[in-house]
Amino acid sequence: EAGVVQSPRYKIIEKKQPVAFWCNPISGHNTLYWYLQNLGQGPELLIRYENEEAVDDSQLPKDRFSAERLKGVDSTLKIQPAELGDSAVYLCASSFHIPGQVNTGELFFGEGSRLTVL
Amino acid sequence: AQTVTQSQPEMSVQEAETVTLSCTYDTSESDYYLFWYKQPPSRQMILVIRQEAYKQQNATENRFSVNFQKAAKSFSLKISDSQLGDAAMYFCAYRILYNQGGKLIFGQGTELSVKP
Repeated sequence: EAGVVQSPRYKIIEKKQPVAFWCNPISGHNTLYWYLQNLGQGPELLIRYENEEAVDDSQLPKDRFSAERLKGVDSTLKIQPAELGDSAVYLCASSFHIPGQVNTGELFFGEGSRLTVL
Repeated sequence: AQTVTQSQPEMSVQEAETVTLSCTYDTSESDYYLFWYKQPPSRQMILVIRQEAYKQQNATENRFSVNFQKAAKSFSLKISDSQLGDAAMYFCAYRILYNQGGKLIFGQGTELSVKP
């Protein structure tokens, strides 16, 4: 069974340029997470989707970051314009959650997309 | 707010020896899950072990075991018979069960090196 797939693995851009990251979760997983991992730090949640609905985006810097999960499957995270401080790894994870029940489903992570902003 | 603290940025162990990684957390909740994740250079987070707070028995997975002290809010990971493949970043994580949709909160990580 395929795991969580992310692309690109690496991206180098100049500041003020746009960038987009793509995530394909494990088949059947209705919950999708985007995490930001700065160098030498633990991941921090940016946004969580339940199906196609963003149910927790409180940590997403909405002035330059946007995300979508059309049809409740694949997801795209966009930064426009990118700043030097956005250099980090962007991790995607997915899990299966039964609505109305406590969310205890294991999170499966992708390999992340490393962004370098010059 | 819940926080997770890993006070050891780096640890080193000799192959075949035992090492313990420390983690403390802060929460006012009584029900939650705790995890240890391994992140090798490939960057993919791999679940090592899970502990449900309502269980008094410490979780064990082969060479990996935890020492869960709920009152002290401590959750350490013991790796026995360390292998070269155990070298990685290890993250302790706390999972909120109620509200916030099962959000995971990670510690800062401990980089483990294994010497042959």
